This record gives sequence, C-alpha cells and structure tokens, in this order.
Amino acid sequence: SQTIHQWPATLVQPVGSPLSLECTVEGTSNPNLYWYRQAAGRGLQLLFYSVGIGQISSEVPQNLSASRPQDRQFILSSKKLLLSDSGFYLCAWSPAGLAGSETQYFGPGTRLLVL
Amino acid sequence: AQSVAQPEDQVNVAEGNPLTVKCTYSVSGNPYLFWYVQYPNRGLQFLLKYITGDNLVKGSYGFEAEFNKSQTSFHLKKPSALVSDSALYFCAVSLYGNNRLAFGKGNQVVVIP
Repeated sequence: SQTIHQWPATLVQPVGSPLSLECTVEGTSNPNLYWYRQAAGRGLQLLFYSVGIGQISSEVPQNLSASRPQDRQFILSSKKLLLSDSGFYLCAWSPAGLAGSETQYFGPGTRLLVL
Repeated sequence: AQSVAQPEDQVNVAEGNPLTVKCTYSVSGNPYLFWYVQYPNRGLQFLLKYITGDNLVKGSYGFEAEFNKSQTSFHLKKPSALVSDSALYFCAVSLYGNNRLAFGKGNQVVVIP
C-alpha cells in the first residue's frame, strides 16, 4: 500500500530564516505530487504541483519554491521566511496516468510558525 | 475556472440524527467531485468521490453523497451521526484531465452527545 510522509511535523522559525519541508511517498512510482497551504484551519491553496522529476508548476507567486530531486520526493523551500508564511503545509500525491489520477491523498502536514 | 461553495460555516447535529453537509460547485464541463475530512492538526482523509455513473456514491465510515447535476450540488450525508464524526469537512472539484482540485472553505461539523 502507499504511504506519504512529511517532516518535520512542527517547525518554529524566525523571520528571514530559510525553510525546507520534505515530503516522500512510498509504494508507488512516478506519482503526481502537490504542495498546499492551509491558513487559519480552513481553506486550502494549491502552491505547486509536479508530474515528474524536475517538473514543477507554480500556482501562485510567492516567497516559496518547490523541487523534486527524486521520483517520490517533493521539497518546499524558502530563502527568507516572512510572517505570512505561517500555516499548515500539506503534501499530497495522486497516481500517474489518467486512470485514478484525479484522487489526491494527503500527508499528515507540517505546522509552520514564523516569529 | 472551477469553484466550490460550502455555505455553512458550522453544522451542529445531535448524535444519532441524520447529518448533511452542503456543497455546490461551478465548472465548465463535467465535474469530478470529492469529499475529504480533516481532524485537528491532521492531514485530509479521502471519504468519497463522484466521477461518473450512479449519482449516489457511498464512501468510508458510512458516508454517502448525491450528485445532482441540475442543482450543481454534491451534498454529503450520513444517516446517523456519531460524536467521532466531529471534524472539518471539505468539498472539492476538478475536471477530467486536470488534476487541480478547487476546495471549498470547509464546514465544521459538531456532533452533540
């Protein structure tokens, strides 16, 4: 079966510091991968998605970037954090190809607090 | 662009009573519709989806949802609510060939013992 991991679970960082959040998926090959941010415990905003190694699409301009160095690894980064980057960051995956790829499965999330 | 509306911020229901969480959508094409549930400080868990076929879809934990094309709705239902169903529920929509999910703002469900 497939599993998705995110770490760290919680992170407190000062303004202006760098960020690296990691997401890995097990039990599948060439998944589609997604990064979302959830603010104030409610709505989800799609930040980035990837259909393959090195292929990243950005949904909204912001202070963050994403990379996919390996097939099942997705990294969210920032060079300098802003207060507004605080939130709950969720990684998700969906199967490759058209059949079944419409359903996304989410990781446990990372709570980021920027002070 | 696709969008989802979840009109109620919070739904309160007594344990054992039927639970309904409302969702309407807007897309230019045939929608794929989803419900997810989120417990505090956790990721989203997939409950069910409508892709095509029977308008009544059954999912995890006794939940079901009915696709109504004329009303552009996809309401989530459970015949008898449990206290453990208290959580945040998200409706989402996408289109065939486009894996971008548009989420509603979420509904907080509170089941009262």
